[in-house]
Amino acid sequence: NAGVTQTPKFQVLKTGQSMTLQCAQDMNHNSMYWYRQDPGMGLRLIYYSASEGTTDKGEVPNGYNVSRLNKREFSLRLESAAPSQTSVYFCASSERGANQPQHFGDGTRLSIL
Amino acid sequence: AQKVTQAQTEISVVEKEDVTLDCVYETRDTTYYLFWYKQPPSGELVFLIRRNSFDEQNEISGRYSWNFQKSTSSFNFTITASQVVDSAVYFCALSDVYSSASKIIFGSGTRLSIRP
Repeated sequence: NAGVTQTPKFQVLKTGQSMTLQCAQDMNHNSMYWYRQDPGMGLRLIYYSASEGTTDKGEVPNGYNVSRLNKREFSLRLESAAPSQTSVYFCASSERGANQPQHFGDGTRLSIL
Repeated sequence: AQKVTQAQTEISVVEKEDVTLDCVYETRDTTYYLFWYKQPPSGELVFLIRRNSFDEQNEISGRYSWNFQKSTSSFNFTITASQVVDSAVYFCALSDVYSSASKIIFGSGTRLSIRP
């Protein structure tokens, strides 16, 4: 079982470039999430999608956009990358509901020069 | 506002020692859910346990145990007879029950190193 698949695993961008991080899950989950992980700060929620067709801002949405393409796929776009967006990005999915554990992808390590 | 505090940034113990990771949370909700996740050196996040606010019974799973105390707003995690494979970053997390999704607030994590 693939679970949650993120692509790419690593990426280096120059300031001002755009980039889309892809995420797909094969668990038939309704909800999907994008986080960033920075040293000493844990995971912070960027955007989430409670169900297909809906997206909502999380704690740190500025500089990002998302698209819930279908039930399986949830992409994260950086329109004009900035060095402050250097981070490890994780996608996750869960069944619908506040009590559901999330299942995470392996992460994308993104560096902005 | 909801908040999760993991005051222990790093812990290092010798193999076979017992170790407790502290988690303190803040919420105004009467219904909420708490989680622990493990992030080994390979980087993926692994779900360990979920606890709802109405169930204060402690849970044990092999060498792992969790102590939930509403009176002190704590949800601590103990590893008994630690092993090198337990080395990881451990995150405590709290859910927002008013969200239709599993919107989770993570603590900053505790890096646990088990020395052979």
